[in-house]
Amino acid sequence: DTAVSQTPKYLVTQMGNDKSIKCEQNLGHDTMYWYKQDSKKFLKIMFSYNNKELIINETVPNRFSPKSPDKAHLNLHINSLELGDSAVYFCASSQGHRLSGANVLTFGAGSRLTVL
Amino acid sequence: AQKITQTQPGMFVQEKEAVTLDCTYDTSDQSYGLFWYKQPSSGEMIFLIYQGSYDEQNATEGRYSLNFQKARKSANLVISASQLGDSAMYFCAMRATGAGSYQLTFGKGTKLSVIP
Repeated sequence: DTAVSQTPKYLVTQMGNDKSIKCEQNLGHDTMYWYKQDSKKFLKIMFSYNNKELIINETVPNRFSPKSPDKAHLNLHINSLELGDSAVYFCASSQGHRLSGANVLTFGAGSRLTVL
Repeated sequence: AQKITQTQPGMFVQEKEAVTLDCTYDTSDQSYGLFWYKQPSSGEMIFLIYQGSYDEQNATEGRYSLNFQKARKSANLVISASQLGDSAMYFCAMRATGAGSYQLTFGKGTKLSVIP
């Protein structure tokens, strides 16, 4: 039973299209995240939600819009896709944000987006 | 602002030998946590070990240990008795208190290759 599941795992689409990536966690965690991993493997935070409330909104184009219908789900919608959006997008969750070994981030398997 | 530096883009180690992956960090916070994650070629992010800034002892988890030197702001990962399955990207990450506590800031990673 996957703890943090993302769908789809692979997504190939044309420039200008709109796409969504879904994320669900069954760990009962309060906090969820989206990270972007570029072609050089660098991981950068995009968004974080705590109990459905947006906590972190890094400098990300407003073509990216996260939505958290409940604390177990955090979806990422991307409008007007561009070539530079090609990357692996990771969803993650944690019990909270306090510093503790118990509050490690558990990651999904990643969603590889390719924009042609 | 938090910063993680991993100066070794790639490392090689002979099977059954120990290897140290370097990580230095920069933060003005007094309370913070340091994490190491492994990313094999399959792409998932696997949590390895955690060290809190106030933990008096270095963290250990099986073959993984964290050489924490607070004055030097370093948190090196030591893998003992390397195995072929240890070949992967390794990321050092930090989480601090305050507004930044909701996110992990990652280093650029070190690619470890274990030679038979």
